Amino acid sequence: GAVVSQHPSWVICKSGTSVKIECRSLDFQATTMFWYRQFPKQSLMLMATSNEGSKATYEQGVEKDKFLINHASLTLSTLTVTSAHPEDSSFYICSAKRTSGPGDTQYFGPGTRLTVL
Amino acid sequence: QKEVEQNSGPLSVPEGAIASLNCTYSDRGSQSFFWYRQYSGKSPELIMFIYSNGDKEDGRFTAQLNKASQYVSLLIRDSQPSDSATYLCAVRGGSNYKLTFGKGTLLTVNP
Repeated sequence: GAVVSQHPSWVICKSGTSVKIECRSLDFQATTMFWYRQFPKQSLMLMATSNEGSKATYEQGVEKDKFLINHASLTLSTLTVTSAHPEDSSFYICSAKRTSGPGDTQYFGPGTRLTVL
Repeated sequence: QKEVEQNSGPLSVPEGAIASLNCTYSDRGSQSFFWYRQYSGKSPELIMFIYSNGDKEDGRFTAQLNKASQYVSLLIRDSQPSDSATYLCAVRGGSNYKLTFGKGTLLTVNP
């Protein structure tokens, strides 16, 4: 159990376009999901915490109007990168925390590699 | 600023040896501690979590926690080439479920 999927696994887009990334918990309910970004050879940096039915909480320095997060159900959160630019190219990874079960473990999706040309 | 420090490595061990990975954290209020393994180009996968002082064993992996020293470690016994990856230490603070990650230690197990 505790499988998290992401779609798409990779995307290439032109500068100025918007990209939507989906994160789904497949076999459990997740009240809380997290969105991370990872640049090459660096660790994961938390971008925002997504709570089902409420507004996301963004980390300092993350533009909420650029990175739109929607957590409409207990199994789905989406991240939309609006007006993407080359500096937004990165590996975006979501994680989901089980609503019930062992502790506060976060389970990660496989990630989405975004390349902005 | 909550910090999690790890030796960046690379740590190189021969096959069959014990690999020891270390992590220190700055927030004394930290509640939960996690070790993730990340292969190149992939997302992290959970290896172990530990909440209480002492040792926790799961197969070839043992996590050790010392809250007084603000130190957590991961031992990998009988290391295999397939264990070659970056190991991320993550710490959860006391007030929310957010994780703070270390930069990771690159482990290479040589056949």
